[in-house]
Amino acid sequence: SQTIHQWPATLVQPVGSPLSLECTVEGTSNPNLYWYRQAAGRGLQLLFYSVGIGQISSEVPQNLSASRPQDRQFILSSKKLLLSDSGFYLCAWSPSGGGYGYTFGSGTRLTVV
Amino acid sequence: KNEVEQSPQNLTAQEGEFITINCSYSVGISALHWLQQHPGGGIVSLFMLSSGKKKHGRLIATINIQEKHSSLHITASHPRDSAVYICAVRSMSNYQLIWGAGTKLIIKP
Repeated sequence: SQTIHQWPATLVQPVGSPLSLECTVEGTSNPNLYWYRQAAGRGLQLLFYSVGIGQISSEVPQNLSASRPQDRQFILSSKKLLLSDSGFYLCAWSPSGGGYGYTFGSGTRLTVV
Repeated sequence: KNEVEQSPQNLTAQEGEFITINCSYSVGISALHWLQQHPGGGIVSLFMLSSGKKKHGRLIATINIQEKHSSLHITASHPRDSAVYICAVRSMSNYQLIWGAGTKLIIKP
């Protein structure tokens, strides 16, 4: 069966520090991968999506970047965190080729202090 | 106007009440998701619908494609149902998810 792992669950980081959040998928090949962010009191916003290794599309300009070094690995990074980067980050995958169904990770709550 | 609108934004009810949360959308979709987000932030996928009705335990989700409307119902509500319920639609044009703002549900004992 397909599963998705996202870690860590919570993270407190100082302003200016780097960030690396990792998401891995098991039980499927060539998934579409997504990073979403939910700022306090707001809905989820798509940050990045990837349809293949090394292929990253950015939806909004950010202090963040994403990479897909392996087929089932999606990493969200920042070189220097800002206070405004605080929020809830969610990884998800869907079948390639337009198939139905999203599966969501458990999320990471990031607090930048 | 947002492409996905949920109502109500907030809902407080007594334990045992029948709960209805609504989702309306204005774009062509290939599927609609209902998700639950607990206070700690974790998100659980409840249903994915493309037509008709689905039931899982005390939860029922319906969708009317012609009216571009979906409802999530909770029967015999319980305090543990307290969470934010989110509707998201999968755009037919680019397969991306468009998210509603969520409905915060509080069930009082």
